Amino acid sequence: DAGVIQSPRHEVTEMGQEVTLRCKPISGHNSLFWYRQTMMRGLELLIYFNNNVPIDDSGMPEDRFSAKMPNASFSTLKIQPSEPRDSAVYFCASSLGGDRVPYEQYFGPGTRLTVT
Amino acid sequence: GESVGLHLPTLSVQEGDNSIINCAYSNSASDYFIWYKQESGKGPQFIIDIRSNMDKRQGQRVTVLLNKTVKHLSLQIAATQPGDSAVYFCAERWGYGGSQGNLIFGKGTKLSVKP
Repeated sequence: DAGVIQSPRHEVTEMGQEVTLRCKPISGHNSLFWYRQTMMRGLELLIYFNNNVPIDDSGMPEDRFSAKMPNASFSTLKIQPSEPRDSAVYFCASSLGGDRVPYEQYFGPGTRLTVT
Repeated sequence: GESVGLHLPTLSVQEGDNSIINCAYSNSASDYFIWYKQESGKGPQFIIDIRSNMDKRQGQRVTVLLNKTVKHLSLQIAATQPGDSAVYFCAERWGYGGSQGNLIFGKGTKLSVKP
């Protein structure tokens, strides 16, 4: 398996532009997570899906952020409009889901976003 | 992906020595804990987990110890190798019976192994 795939790996954009980050989870995994990592706040959960349904989006910073999972093999995280403070590394992770232990989440390589 | 590299607690050890990485967790009701390793340019990778009804669990070269009295978790790495150099995160699951989305990650500790 190729693991969790994220694209793009790097994104540089200007403030006010729309940014779309993409994720393909591991085949057969039922849960998908979006995280943001910064030096100041560490790794933060933004939103997670179970069976394509958003379960908890309380970590989404504000309405400028939205996430979708139209099917089991694809998810997007969109920021519109983007701001410099959104600069971070965004990780997507997937797991088998349910209440199975271990809650091992498999992380993708991340997308490094820079908003100027 | 990039790991946070600055402003992190740093542990520097000699190759071959044992390493102990500590983590103070926040929620006394947390019932499950995980250690992740993040190498430079990569996403976090699962190392080992432990339930709250245990106080010790061993894996290959790694041992996790849990002290619920003081809400403390540690990761011990035996015979540390240069490939162990990374940032290590602990994560706790908040709330008994909570879902995976209740995993909260610590800030991380950077382990540097000197050859």
